[in-house]
Amino acid sequence: NAGVMQNPRHLVRRRGQEARLRCSPMKGHSHVYWYRQLPEEGLKFMVYLQKENIIDESGMPKERFSAEFPKEGPSILRIQQVVRGDSAAYFCASSRTGNENTEAFFGQGTRLTVV
Amino acid sequence: TQLLEQSPQFLSIQEGENLTVYCNSSSVFSSLQWYRQEPGEGPVLLVTVVTGGEVKKLKRLTFQFGDARKDSSLHITAAQPGDTGLYLCAGAPGGGAQKLVFGQGTRLTINP
Repeated sequence: NAGVMQNPRHLVRRRGQEARLRCSPMKGHSHVYWYRQLPEEGLKFMVYLQKENIIDESGMPKERFSAEFPKEGPSILRIQQVVRGDSAAYFCASSRTGNENTEAFFGQGTRLTVV
Repeated sequence: TQLLEQSPQFLSIQEGENLTVYCNSSSVFSSLQWYRQEPGEGPVLLVTVVTGGEVKKLKRLTFQFGDARKDSSLHITAAQPGDTGLYLCAGAPGGGAQKLVFGQGTRLTINP
C-alpha cells in the first residue's frame, strides 16, 4: 500500500546551493502537485504537473524554482541558489485524474533547512 | 484570489466535550476536503464533500458542506486526546484542476 513517497525527508543546504526534492506518486496516479508550507502557515499551491507537462505553475516563484515530471521516474522540484527564506516543508500530492472533486493524497514532505 | 478562513485557529478543550471548527469563504468551491496533519507529517485526507448541504460522518466526526458550497464545518462529539492535531480544510476551485486552496488550520488540543 505505497502512498506518495517523498525524499529526502530532511534536507539541509547552505545558502547558494541547489536543492532537489523528489516525489513518486501513488500507483496509478499521473497527476502531481507541489505545495509549500512555511512555519505556522497553511499550505500554498506551487505547481501542477502531469507526465512530461506542466499544467499550472501559477504558484511558483518566478526565479530559481523549477519542476518536472518526466516520463520515467519521480517528479522533481528544484530550487537553485537557495536562500534562508526557502526554508519550509515541501509537500507533494498526487491524484488519479485532474477532474473536479478528485481526491488528492499527500506525501510526508521534505523539510528543507537553509543555513 | 480565493481564500479559506478557518476558525478558531487554536482550540483547547477537555476530553468528552464537543467542538465545531469552521471553514468559510466568499468563493464557491466545487468540493471541499478536510485533512488532519500530525507534527512532521503530511496532511492525511479525512473526507471530501461535494454537494451543497452534504453531511458526512466519520465515527465521532461530522462534516457539513454549506448549501452554497462556500463554507464547511467539522463537528467532533465527545472529543478524545487522540483527536489532538492540526485540522485543515482545503477547497477545490473547480475548472478541471485540483489546485487546492488551504485554510490556515485549526490546532486542536484535547486535554485528558
